[in-house]
Amino acid sequence: AQSVTQLGSHVSVSEGALVLLRCNYSSSVPPYLFWYVQYPNQGLQLLLKYTSAATLVKGINGFEAEFKKSETSFHLTKPSAHMSDAAEYFCAVSEASKLSFGAGTTVTVRA
Amino acid sequence: DTEVTQTPKHLVMGMTNKKSLKCEQHMGHRAMYWYKQKAKKPPELMFVYSYEKLSINESVPSRFSPECPNSSLLNLHLHALQPEDSALYLCASSQYPGTSTDTQYFGPGTRLTVL
Repeated sequence: AQSVTQLGSHVSVSEGALVLLRCNYSSSVPPYLFWYVQYPNQGLQLLLKYTSAATLVKGINGFEAEFKKSETSFHLTKPSAHMSDAAEYFCAVSEASKLSFGAGTTVTVRA
Repeated sequence: DTEVTQTPKHLVMGMTNKKSLKCEQHMGHRAMYWYKQKAKKPPELMFVYSYEKLSINESVPSRFSPECPNSSLLNLHLHALQPEDSALYLCASSQYPGTSTDTQYFGPGTRLTVL
């Protein structure tokens, strides 16, 4: 079965600093990977997805992720953090419409 | 438009009550999902309806009963719940069930509290 591991349950960044959230996958076949964001008391919002068309994927709100097969990684980045980026972020892998989520990373942004 | 709506937003119920959660999508998606999410945890899949038929049931207790009246609607009937069932219940939908490239879109959730 496919799975993802998110490294770091909590990331704290200063406003304007780089945001880097780590996700590694385990899959014997080409994976289809997703990043979702969850703001407090809300549902999950799709940030971006990798479906093998391009290794660098651009998403909403200035986020992007790069698929690296050699490192089995799909890390999420944003060049400059904004206070509104404070949220929970989930990496996920899809297998026949079943999503397997990582444990999540909480991002806090310091003024 | 990728909107999934859920009602109610909040629900408080006693252990002897019967209540229902509702989910609706008008994107023509062919699969709908129920998830349960506890605080600081990822969502856990409960049920999947694909083309209006229950296709995945993740061994959820019988006090949770899903219903898919049509391709746009999904209900979750609740009966005799326990306090540990208190959680955020999320609905999602997707267009191409059974394919790995399928993308799920989530609703805002219903915050359920069982007293």
